[in-house]
Amino acid sequence: AQTVTQSQPEMSVQEAETVTLSCTYDTSESDYYLFWYKQPPSRQMILVIRQEAYKQQNATENRFSVNFQKAAKSFSLKISDSQLGDAAMYFCAYRSAMGATNKLIFGTGTLLAVQP
Amino acid sequence: EPEVTQTPSHQVTQMGQEVILRCVPISNHLYFYWYRQILGQKVEFLVSFYNNEISEKSEIFDDQFSVERPDGSNFTLKIRSTKLEDSAMYFCASSYAGGSYNSPLHFGNGTRLTVT
Repeated sequence: AQTVTQSQPEMSVQEAETVTLSCTYDTSESDYYLFWYKQPPSRQMILVIRQEAYKQQNATENRFSVNFQKAAKSFSLKISDSQLGDAAMYFCAYRSAMGATNKLIFGTGTLLAVQP
Repeated sequence: EPEVTQTPSHQVTQMGQEVILRCVPISNHLYFYWYRQILGQKVEFLVSFYNNEISEKSEIFDDQFSVERPDGSNFTLKIRSTKLEDSAMYFCASSYAGGSYNSPLHFGNGTRLTVT
């Protein structure tokens, strides 16, 4: 079974600085998708960035980028120029691209605080 | 941007009672999901629904739970005979296709269920 691990329960960053959130996963599959979701205090989970496993190029969305290391099964999220609005819980998630399943498997989350 | 909406935002019920959590997925989406998050724990998959039937369910989704799409817009989760351990945040999500890279899940704000 696939698992997702986020080893940093909490992180803190100064406004305008850069922070990296860690995510590792375990799978025997070769084709899958990885996602980072943000959950602000409003509770709604918002998709931040996504990556297809067969694409070696790291995904980038404005200030958000990932460092995808397939061999190491690592999918870290880098937030550049951190803003107060980035404060939230961040979840890493895995979805198989094989078979009929479409469920997301989530990590336990990292709570990011942004200090002014 | 269209959103998934969930009602109520907070539901308090007594142990043994039945509750219905309601969701309005994004209108052109075809796949619907329920996830739950027990306080302090990871987000867990409960069930996915497509073409008016359950396409996948987790071991958590036992006979106590049921889902329904009673009309063209609503998607409901019914929990019969609630237990204290059912207290959690319940998230509804939808996707156009099966939650792949090109069709990621969109989540609602969640319903916080408290069983007393």
